[in-house]
Amino acid sequence: GAGVSQSPRYKVAKRGQDVALRCDPISGHVSLFWYQQALGQGPEFLTYFQNEAQLDKSGLPSDRFFAERPEGSVSTLKIQRTQQEDSAVYLCASSPREGGTEAFFGQGTRLTVV
Amino acid sequence: LAKTTQPISMDSYEGQEVNITCSHNNIATNDYITWYQQFPSQGPRFIIQGYKTKVTNEVASLFIPADRKSSTLSLPRVSLSDTAVYYCLVGDRGGGFKTIFGAGTRLFVKA
Repeated sequence: GAGVSQSPRYKVAKRGQDVALRCDPISGHVSLFWYQQALGQGPEFLTYFQNEAQLDKSGLPSDRFFAERPEGSVSTLKIQRTQQEDSAVYLCASSPREGGTEAFFGQGTRLTVV
Repeated sequence: LAKTTQPISMDSYEGQEVNITCSHNNIATNDYITWYQQFPSQGPRFIIQGYKTKVTNEVASLFIPADRKSSTLSLPRVSLSDTAVYYCLVGDRGGGFKTIFGAGTRLFVKA
């Protein structure tokens, strides 16, 4: 596809369940970002990849959050033992530049933990 | 990363020009100013980016004074479909990967 694709669009998880969110960036884009967006708030940075290297993971809220991009393209954000406060929209973005303040976003995955 | 301040919300009418100003007093020499638009249930969409003076594209204009401590996003002749949240970001284009969005400005366009 032409844009950033995220799946699933919606995910309902029971508290304590593990979830995996997928991001397919635009082909050839070097940079990949994950953000968390709570209702009514702006996106908050979680982590950044430059190709397969995770250069910044300072925004991950706890060690239950883990992200990978093993081949420098598709990325997965995994959340272990989900809790209600993890409920949010998770956005993925990619950019052709290193760093990339001009990024292309997917539609996000809305995670609801019940 | 430089912190930005922008109005929480603005109202306008169809056909008017809308100017949203963002303050970034601590902007660094290498920082660019970038604006994004976000509709409900969608990811943010890049609108425009600039370093100084004026930048114009098919969607908007960005005005940046000489001291670069603020910037103004100008949307000409807005329509109902321009109702969205607008984010001002400041960062180094090469290393600004920890892009800070803030709360944004909620623009509501009325008929």
